[in-house]
Amino acid sequence: RKEVEQDPGPFNVPEGATVAFNCTYSNSASQSFFWYRQDCRKEPKLLMSVYSSGNEDGRFTAQLNRASQYISLLIRDSKLSDSATYLCVVNKAADSWGKLQFGAGTQVVVTP
Amino acid sequence: GAVVSQHPSRVICKSGTSVKIECRSLDFQATTMFWYRQFPKKSLMLMATSNEGSKATYEQGVEKDKFLINHASLTLSTLTVTSAHPEDSSFYICSARDRSLLAGDQETQYFGPGTRLLVL
Repeated sequence: RKEVEQDPGPFNVPEGATVAFNCTYSNSASQSFFWYRQDCRKEPKLLMSVYSSGNEDGRFTAQLNRASQYISLLIRDSKLSDSATYLCVVNKAADSWGKLQFGAGTQVVVTP
Repeated sequence: GAVVSQHPSRVICKSGTSVKIECRSLDFQATTMFWYRQFPKKSLMLMATSNEGSKATYEQGVEKDKFLINHASLTLSTLTVTSAHPEDSSFYICSARDRSLLAGDQETQYFGPGTRLLVL
């Protein structure tokens, strides 16, 4: 089983619609969670950290469910510029500070 | 935000040659830099953790004699792919952690733009 699993998609989303997707992680000792965005042939860029109580940043909402070991990302009012691959990222273990484990990404395609 | 550069952005080389990739933190000091490799449609895989002034620590399955890492200063780490072969063709990305950040933010990593290596 992969340490971080994501639905690869693509999720085809009409502009203005809402899209949500999850990511599951296998290491129950994981402490930190992030969503990164990666555009085609570019480096990943931090979208947002995910906090235990859930958090929102503009049109983006992230949730963490420790019991079921998954995190989610919801994008409201999708823009064409939201088209990208969204990477779920988990720190590898509580005692390997800084080491991140990446999912393979969920592709989102926002269409006009 | 913090900026990390990589050089070269793209390299094509013949099988058997060595290729050096530089990763620089431009406006901050990074005690720790990370090297990743990404194959098409796959996740980033951590190869090694580079600590300034000490030996790099490699992930399981990554050959340290194949991928030489040098972290000579707080702003520069280099990855040398020795005797490159076609299977080494990949997207190599470095990231750096800003030592000046408060504890809670120190997990934020800033990524370089990546280096595409093609070995013929």
